[in-house]
Amino acid sequence: EVQLAESGGGLVQPGQSVRLSCTASGFAFSGYHLNWVRLAPGKGLEWISSISSNGDDKYYADSVKGRFSISRDNAKKSVFLQMDDLRAEDTALYYCAGHYFNYVGYYYYGMDVWGQGTTVTVSS
Amino acid sequence: DIQLTQSPSFLSASVGDRVIITCRASQGSRKNLAWYQQKPGKAPKLLIYDASTLHSGVPSRFSGGGSGTEFTLTISSLQPEDFASYYCQQLDSHFVFTFGPGTKVDLK
Repeated sequence: EVQLAESGGGLVQPGQSVRLSCTASGFAFSGYHLNWVRLAPGKGLEWISSISSNGDDKYYADSVKGRFSISRDNAKKSVFLQMDDLRAEDTALYYCAGHYFNYVGYYYYGMDVWGQGTTVTVSS
Repeated sequence: DIQLTQSPSFLSASVGDRVIITCRASQGSRKNLAWYQQKPGKAPKLLIYDASTLHSGVPSRFSGGGSGTEFTLTISSLQPEDFASYYCQQLDSHFVFTFGPGTKVDLK
């Protein structure tokens, strides 16, 4: 079964740090680009960060640039999100999602693998 | 970065209705546009990619169209399991993703 499973969420105080993990099974993890997407209470989906299949290229939304850092370990089929200097507005359900990308033709196939999410609450 | 708008934001419909959701981009780009369905408490599900390609396993009542700055998601005959929120998403040339604000489809 194709699966992503997130962990690491919880209640943290403003200014503190959290590291989210996402572990994959059932698909060719090393060929997929991985993303973090969040859903804040009462709001819509927001893309946070992406990492290329080999880990060389990383991209961030302006809202988290300089505070969050994405990484991956293909041997462990895992992707991580280091979240520093957390703010109340970072409170959300954080999803890990994967997509395949073909650099020939710049072809994007959509995020077709998703985890169930892990909740991060930033509050004093 | 590309900005996406969706219309309508909310839609009340009945089973069997034809539903069309529009997604407009602030700038034209390649058709790296996808559509997702999300139900409360569940992860998003990919419906459409490349603006009009149906993802594997998605019912054929869903279809996507458009190009440039205007895209549509059509549900030809709304089914009870289709009441959900729908999001468009685009990938730009700098590998930055943007989601639209979402359209909630509920029962009239």
